Amino acid sequence: AQSVTQLDSQVPVFEEAPVELRCNYSSSVSVYLFWYVQYPNQGLQLLLKYLSGSTLVESINGFEAEFNKSQTSFHLRKPSVHISDTAEYFCAVQGSTLGRLYFGRGTQLTVWP
Amino acid sequence: DAGVTQSPTHLIKTRGQQVTLRCSPKSGHDTVSWYQQALGQGPQFIFQYYEEEERQRGNFPDRFSGHQFPNYSSELNVNALLLGDSALYLCASSLVIGRGNSGANVLTFGAGSRLTVL
Repeated sequence: AQSVTQLDSQVPVFEEAPVELRCNYSSSVSVYLFWYVQYPNQGLQLLLKYLSGSTLVESINGFEAEFNKSQTSFHLRKPSVHISDTAEYFCAVQGSTLGRLYFGRGTQLTVWP
Repeated sequence: DAGVTQSPTHLIKTRGQQVTLRCSPKSGHDTVSWYQQALGQGPQFIFQYYEEEERQRGNFPDRFSGHQFPNYSSELNVNALLLGDSALYLCASSLVIGRGNSGANVLTFGAGSRLTVL
């Protein structure tokens, strides 16, 4: 089975500051990795994914994540955050064909003006 | 292009009652998964349906059951509701990349049905 640990439950930052949301996973097999974002009273939206190839993946709104197999990590970063980035962020791992997703407990990112 | 749609968006039930939640997958998707998200937690996998059959199941009791119809839409049924069943229930549809050998199951989520059990 797989598991995901999001090390920070809450991350407060000021607008235009850089941010890193940490995610570590545990798996005995090769994995696919995902970051989802959830705005208040909404479902989950896919932010970015690592399936294969380049270990650095980027989203259209400036977020990036790097797959580090040796450290079993998939940390999410953004060099300059906006107030509109305030949301809950979930890291997820899938470790088998057609498999279920295992989610972390989430990190609440709050961006202050 | 309509994404995943769920109904109802909110509902309130009392202990012991039964509830049915509905989901229409994104156009072109054939696999539906259901997740339970309790307050302050990450989503937990309930089960997955493909070709009208339950293909995988998470660690949920038999009170949780589902169905997939020929048009790929799906229902989640919960019997004998408990207070602890209060949660946001998320439906997700998918189309496997590289189907046939191996591939990621990239999910598109609906907005969810928020169930409150009193």
